[in-house]
Amino acid sequence: DQQVKQNSPSLSVQEGRISILNCDYTNSMFDYFLWYKKYPAEGPTFLISISSIKDKNEDGRFTVFLNKSAKHLSLHIVPSQPGDSAVYFCAASAVDSWGKLQFGAGTQVVVTP
Amino acid sequence: KAGVTQTPRYLIKTRGQQVTLSCSPISGHRSVSWYQQTPGQGLQFLFEYFSETQRNKGNFPGRFSGRQFSNSRSEMNVSTLELGDSALYLCASSGLETGPNSPLHFGNGTRLTVT
Repeated sequence: DQQVKQNSPSLSVQEGRISILNCDYTNSMFDYFLWYKKYPAEGPTFLISISSIKDKNEDGRFTVFLNKSAKHLSLHIVPSQPGDSAVYFCAASAVDSWGKLQFGAGTQVVVTP
Repeated sequence: KAGVTQTPRYLIKTRGQQVTLSCSPISGHRSVSWYQQTPGQGLQFLFEYFSETQRNKGNFPGRFSGRQFSNSRSEMNVSTLELGDSALYLCASSGLETGPNSPLHFGNGTRLTVT
């Protein structure tokens, strides 16, 4: 049973524009949500996280929004850069099982010049 | 600060054999988790160790096992390898016990191919 879902397998965006990646979850016990970026032949790289007590977290060009009632989160990247081309994973965890992340299937982002 | 180190990077084994993968966490990190990535199933949680104790376990058969040493280094073992075990195995470490202030940091993985 997929508890974290990324329904868009791919996203193409022009350099300088905003990239919006979406993620839905089903488990109301999830307390923490994270976004990772992954290049081929490398491990996932942590981007940004958010606790369920917040609805927004910003770090430079990256902002994550959390809507608990809708069980939905999104990652905004502004402005998008060619180096942002990668697969982005949404992940979630409950407070009593922090090391156990549930991952979405990933969204391939391609930033075009 | 050195990142998470996994060895070997690539491994080819024959069905029925066993394999041991190694992971050295970031210095000072005490939690180590293991994940399997396959094209069909995505990233799936195997198990997590904290201070040499298995704290969480995923839904994998008993052929998959792990351990953590007193220096926080971890190994995972897969016995009686099956073709379906071919995957990228990722190790991640975390500093604090819990919380987004201590996110998991991943190594570059071990690519296991079972023939």
